[in-house]
Amino acid sequence: DAKTTQPNSMESNEEEPVHLPCNHSTISGTDYIHWYRQLPSQGPEYVIHGLTSNVNNRMASLAIAEDRKSSTLILHRATLRDAAVYYCILAGSARQLTFGSGTQLTVLP
Amino acid sequence: DAGVTQSPTHLIKTRGQHVTLRCSPISGHKSVSWYQQVLGQGPQFIFQYYEKEERGRGNFPDRFSARQFPNYSSELNVNALLLGDSALYLCASSLARQGGQETQYFGPGTRLLVL
Repeated sequence: DAKTTQPNSMESNEEEPVHLPCNHSTISGTDYIHWYRQLPSQGPEYVIHGLTSNVNNRMASLAIAEDRKSSTLILHRATLRDAAVYYCILAGSARQLTFGSGTQLTVLP
Repeated sequence: DAGVTQSPTHLIKTRGQHVTLRCSPISGHKSVSWYQQVLGQGPQFIFQYYEKEERGRGNFPDRFSARQFPNYSSELNVNALLLGDSALYLCASSLARQGGQETQYFGPGTRLLVL
């Protein structure tokens, strides 16, 4: 599976936008970019996914670079409930998810 | 709608014992996957089942086995428990769409402690 690189941790102030980066320079043409998050003491939760175009849903936006070697998860207004570990995952023909270490997001009041 | 449910929520076993963990998928989901999450790390893939057939296996020893029942629920079995098997065991279900687009929905997990 192609690998992703994320910062270990990030901080954000409450009600401000958060941009979580992910590098995936070895992505293949058929890999989808998925983001999941894991709140404390819970299972991972699906956030968003995309292939080439930017995507928006009620939780977040996903901005994908034109060469697809990087992407950014955007939380438009961070709340305290958004404090979690965010995982960027490439999903291809294999249906299992390969999690890395993720980014620990801390939201400051 | 009910999400993915897992039982038990917590479990304490001793080395050498056997454990069975259970998972009920979201209604309509035919695929179930199992993951192990050791403290401080991301989840690691163990197995995936679709329509009662094993469709994927991660890098885990043969002490780990699983099965899926006609109602799509699943069991994960671990024999000869080791201290290193202490972890959060996560079950995820999905609709089994075309690869790459599949969204997995995770349960709350079973926390296993091996003493």
